[in-house]
Amino acid sequence: ENVLTQSPGTLSLSPGERASLSCRASQSVSNTYLAWYQQKPGQAPRLLIYGASTRATGIPDRFSGSASGTDFTLTITRVEPEDFAVYYCQQYGISPFGPGTRLEIK
Amino acid sequence: QVQLLQSGPVVEKPGASVKVSCKASGYTFNRYGITWVRQAPGQGLEWMGWISSYSGKAEFAEKFQGRVTLTTDTSTNIAYMELRSLGSDDTAVYYCARTVTRYTLFGAVPSGDFNYYIDAWAQGTLVTVSS
Repeated sequence: ENVLTQSPGTLSLSPGERASLSCRASQSVSNTYLAWYQQKPGQAPRLLIYGASTRATGIPDRFSGSASGTDFTLTITRVEPEDFAVYYCQQYGISPFGPGTRLEIK
Repeated sequence: QVQLLQSGPVVEKPGASVKVSCKASGYTFNRYGITWVRQAPGQGLEWMGWISSYSGKAEFAEKFQGRVTLTTDTSTNIAYMELRSLGSDDTAVYYCARTVTRYTLFGAVPSGDFNYYIDAWAQGTLVTVSS
């Protein structure tokens, strides 16, 4: 089973700062076969990025995704107050979610 | 608009089974798969399995093999998840989610359907296992 590792576990930033969230796969699958989700407390998750770098409908362009081999990165260029949440990555197919990165207000 | 509506919260005893329903609307049901994900209190997302609404084929995470049944009824656009032999560690919010698949994107799947990503989520169903 492919295992995804996310780092850091918690990221503390101030609004306006740049956020960089990492997701690493234990096995090499297609480097476009990855999605990112955002979850706020008490809510269902929401799709942010699919195909490693394609923003889902309605997602602001401050969110971007990239891939390099088995390493994937979600970048938020300038964090807005509504971006503080937990972010999960997941590869396509029979694949668990990563453990998540909590983005919290510094 | 796409909507997924799950059945309400339930309390079950250890050893019992639970069946959660997920009513889909606003899209062509058999063009997408349905994935089931759960989240224990204060924990992360746990992928359980998915089912192709097109072929009826289901695949599961290893830990749920043999304990979960996924079905879809294309006449009513409802997906079901049944989990058996409940234990206290099955207490969680269970989500169904619309899943983009190979069939969604390409229409013809001679090599079989394949789940890509989740693009819509239901509101979740709290299942509490308690004696």
